[in-house]
Amino acid sequence: RKEVEQDPGPFNVPEGATVAFNCTYSNSASQSFFWYRQDCRKEPKLLMSVYSSGNEDGRFTAQLNRASQYISLLIRDSKLSDSATYLCVVYVRDSSYKLIFGSGTRLLVRP
Amino acid sequence: DAGITQSPRHKVTETGTPVTLRCHQTENHRYMYWYRQDPGHGLRLIHYSYGVKDTDKGEVSDGYSVSRSKTEDFLLTLESATSSQTSVYFCAISVKGRGNSGANVLTFGAGSRLTVL
Repeated sequence: RKEVEQDPGPFNVPEGATVAFNCTYSNSASQSFFWYRQDCRKEPKLLMSVYSSGNEDGRFTAQLNRASQYISLLIRDSKLSDSATYLCVVYVRDSSYKLIFGSGTRLLVRP
Repeated sequence: DAGITQSPRHKVTETGTPVTLRCHQTENHRYMYWYRQDPGHGLRLIHYSYGVKDTDKGEVSDGYSVSRSKTEDFLLTLESATSSQTSVYFCAISVKGRGNSGANVLTFGAGSRLTVL
């Protein structure tokens, strides 16, 4: 079982739609959580950190559920420019410190 | 802009040949990383460095070596490339993330696409 799991998609949605991605993690020593965005053939870039109380950045809302060990990303009013792959990233502090990347969820926003 | 430059950006080579990828940063960051990205896998850490001449292995270090003789340069070497090392390689630097105690936020270079025939 992968330490960080994501639905690969693709999620194909019309402009203006609301779309949500989930990500589950298995290591209970996971401490910090992030969403990165990766455009086709480009490098990943930090989209937002995920805080315990949930947080919002414009049209993007991230939630954390430690009891069920999943995080989510909600995108409201989808734009064509939101088409990308969204990577869930977990920071684990156990015997070592490491960032674990999910393999990503692909989003396609159509006109 | 974290000023990270990777070279070469694209390379095609043959099995058994040595390959070196270079990562150059201009902002004096202490920590540097090499990742590889393959379809169906998340980014996987190959090696990282926490200072000049200080390096350590990541989860997929077999077949790779690294060197950091200057703060600004982190080199990844495939001594004898194999087809399984065909991948996209990303260099990254890290900065402390706000509000996430101990967690480092990564900034990546543009990637080096390596094909081993």
